[in-house]
Amino acid sequence: DQQVKQNSPSLSVQEGRISILNCDYTNSMFDYFLWYKKYPAEGPTFLISISSIKDKNEDGRFTVFLNKSAKHLSLHIVPSQPGDSAVYFCAASVADSNYQLIWGAGTKLIIKP
Amino acid sequence: ETGVTQTPRHLVMGMTNKKSLKCEQHLGHNAMYWYKQSAKKPLELMFVYNFKEQTENNSVPSRFSPECPNSSHLFLHLHTLQPEDSALYLCASSRVGDVAKNIQYFGAGTRLSVL
Repeated sequence: DQQVKQNSPSLSVQEGRISILNCDYTNSMFDYFLWYKKYPAEGPTFLISISSIKDKNEDGRFTVFLNKSAKHLSLHIVPSQPGDSAVYFCAASVADSNYQLIWGAGTKLIIKP
Repeated sequence: ETGVTQTPRHLVMGMTNKKSLKCEQHLGHNAMYWYKQSAKKPLELMFVYNFKEQTENNSVPSRFSPECPNSSHLFLHLHTLQPEDSALYLCASSRVGDVAKNIQYFGAGTRLSVL
């Protein structure tokens, strides 16, 4: 049973508009959440993270929102740019989990010019 | 360049071959990881090494054998693989300290095809 789910395999957004990527989780013990971005032929790269004691974290065009009661987090990208086209992975961890991250299956974001 | 280098980038092998994947990190990290990524599936953690000691082995078949001679190098030895082992194998490293954050830095991966 997947503890971290990204239910949209792909998302297409017009350049300049907002991209919203969603992630749901089932384990209430998760205390840290991370978003990674992956281009073809490259490994995932860290994008932004959020602690479970917060509900929002912002870094430039990227904002992550956490709704603990709904066990849901989202990544907002605004404005979307062609270089944002990539696969986005959501991951979660527990403080005493011996360094393990639990990953979602990813959402492929396509930015249309 | 992420500071984590994996070789080779592509590997084709028969089921009776023996090969090794190599990972090297130049970030001064002390934890290293092997992941398997199959198409449209979450990353699967295979092995974790912390301070050169293996701390996790997520029920990985014995045909995969890791080796971590020091905190900068990690190998994955492969033998008698099956076609279903074809996947992208990713290496990552992180700095042990703030476990909760656990930001991992990834190499570009080795695309493995087993014939």
